[in-house]
Amino acid sequence: EVQLVESGGGLVQPGGSLRLSCAASGFTFSDHYMDWVRQAPGKGLEWVGRTRNKANSYTTEYAASVKGRFTISRDDSKNSLYLQMNSLKTEDTAVYYCARVKRGRFDYWGQGTLVTVSS
Amino acid sequence: DIQMTQSPSSLSASVGDRVTITCRASQGISNYLAWFQQKPGKAPKSLIYAASSLQSGVPSKFSGSGSGTDFTLTISSLQPEDFATYYCQQYNSYPLTFGQGTKLEIK
Repeated sequence: EVQLVESGGGLVQPGGSLRLSCAASGFTFSDHYMDWVRQAPGKGLEWVGRTRNKANSYTTEYAASVKGRFTISRDDSKNSLYLQMNSLKTEDTAVYYCARVKRGRFDYWGQGTLVTVSS
Repeated sequence: DIQMTQSPSSLSASVGDRVTITCRASQGISNYLAWFQQKPGKAPKSLIYAASSLQSGVPSKFSGSGSGTDFTLTISSLQPEDFATYYCQQYNSYPLTFGQGTKLEIK
């Protein structure tokens, strides 16, 4: 069974940093691209970014709203995906989901972790 | 960026009804279109990919169609568990973008 479990969310002050993790199980993690998607309270879904797999040199893509502040990485030996968030803004407050990518689309999602940016 | 516009934004229907939600892309995306269902406080669930292919385990009451810029999600014989918010999403090009959502409510 495919499982994605996010962790690392919490309360952080504006300008601060936070690292989210996503632990994957039930599939060959190293084969797949992986994404982060977020959802601000009461709002819709917003794509954050993607990391490709080793075969594609672990290259990344980012939404304009986070480019230069957020970094996506992965450790295939630990079946884990990460989101390093720096220079956080109040508008980054959201539930952050990791999602598995299959042939370009999302097929499995984690349960999400809440990040609150507030003073 | 490709803008995804869903209509309606909200929809009231009764158990047993058949409903259709529309999603329009601001430019052609071939069939790189997915649909998701989200219930309050829960993660999105994948329903349909490639515009009309059913995700494994999703009941056949859900169906999708379209290509290019215009797409539809149809849900037949609504049951209480189908009342949720539905999102379309294009994966033709970066940045990946979602529609604003359609909230399906019980009449």
